[in-house]
Amino acid sequence: KNQVEQSPQSLIILEGKNCTLQCNYTVSPFSNLRWYKQDTGRGPVSLTIMTFSENTKSNGRYTATLDADTKQSSLHITASQLSDSASYICVVRLNAGNNRKLIWGLGTSLAVNP
Amino acid sequence: KAGVTQTPRYLIKTRGQQVTLSCSPISGHRSVSWYQQTPGQGLQFLFEYFSETQRNKGNFPGRFSGRQFSNSRSEMNVSTLELGDSALYLCASSPTRPDEKLFFGSGTQLSVL
Repeated sequence: KNQVEQSPQSLIILEGKNCTLQCNYTVSPFSNLRWYKQDTGRGPVSLTIMTFSENTKSNGRYTATLDADTKQSSLHITASQLSDSASYICVVRLNAGNNRKLIWGLGTSLAVNP
Repeated sequence: KAGVTQTPRYLIKTRGQQVTLSCSPISGHRSVSWYQQTPGQGLQFLFEYFSETQRNKGNFPGRFSGRQFSNSRSEMNVSTLELGDSALYLCASSPTRPDEKLFFGSGTQLSVL
């Protein structure tokens, strides 16, 4: 079954600290993996899109890694800020002919406290 | 460039009623997708439209329907509302197909009483 699992479910860190969010997937065949940030009451905003051949991709203080062999991805946030408080969602695109659906994880809820 | 605009922002309905939600994509974007988001289920795909044609559909009952107009604006309709339809409904647009980066609106928060 095509699934995306994220951990932890929620996380609380202090401002200025680093953190790493995990994403494991069983989606096959794989097309790409995306990380989205969703603020409360808003729509998700794309952070990164990674294809099979990409191991690391950065967007400012956000760095995503992908290990296609173990089907794992991580999102590392450096020097966290209060504005990083949000839900972070991992999404994997299935690539099976005409079936190119997105498989969404449930997200990790991050709270950054002063 | 204006982002994806969804209206209304909030909506309260009672069981059995119907509702229509509207989405205006980013100018030049031709693909519009709709999602339902609930706390326990995450984002669930409803349907995707491109050039006024429905290209993909999720596993939702026929009470959920949508359409896209020639200017790429899209509407989704839910008939005979149920309590379980309470959710945040999100619209996303992309230039040609959802393979590309999706740009989401802020959503319509629907409460069914």
